[in-house]
Amino acid sequence: KNQVEQSPQSLIILEGKNCTLQCNYTVSPFSNLRWYKQDTGRGPVSLTIMTFSENTKSNGRYTATLDADTKQSSLHITASQLSDSASYICVVSAYGNNRLAFGKGNQVVVIP
Amino acid sequence: SQTIHQWPATLVQPVGSPLSLECTVEGTSNPNLYWYRQAAGRGLQLLFYSVGIGQISSEVPQNLSASRPQDRQFILSSKKLLLSDSGFYLCAWGVAGANVLTFGAGSRLTVL
Repeated sequence: KNQVEQSPQSLIILEGKNCTLQCNYTVSPFSNLRWYKQDTGRGPVSLTIMTFSENTKSNGRYTATLDADTKQSSLHITASQLSDSASYICVVSAYGNNRLAFGKGNQVVVIP
Repeated sequence: SQTIHQWPATLVQPVGSPLSLECTVEGTSNPNLYWYRQAAGRGLQLLFYSVGIGQISSEVPQNLSASRPQDRQFILSSKKLLLSDSGFYLCAWGVAGANVLTFGAGSRLTVL
């Protein structure tokens, strides 16, 4: 079973609307959680990184939340733009471990 | 500032031919270096990681190998490509102990 589960797998939204992507993880002991944005055919680019003590972090129209007790994170996209069409990948790191656990990504398509 | 370069961006190779993908990092010393493969609809799969020159850890048995001839250079190779080697390959670097990765732009390999 994957240590990081993301939902929904894919999402189509109208330009200007908001959406929320979910990430549930079982990685332990938790170190940090990062959301990446990956445009088609490109490498992932970091959006936010959150540690155990952080509940919310924003990067422009992207806002990530973290509940370390329930091991859940969300990424909220406000006033979506066509350029937000991408895969959003949740990556979780454990203490004392060089390995990262990757979700399969949320595929977002913004239509005009 | 740190930058990561990965090439070639796209590659079409016949079955049985050799492969060499190269990755270099600038602006940092002694980075952790990683090679990932990303299949459509699946998460990133760690292939190799390196914590220093000549130190390579392999995550999955496969037709590929990796080498780190210099501190900031990481090479992914194969002597004879298989059809199943087709995919999107990502190089990444991270600071030792931080578990936060920066990815290259990716290399699309098609084996015919």
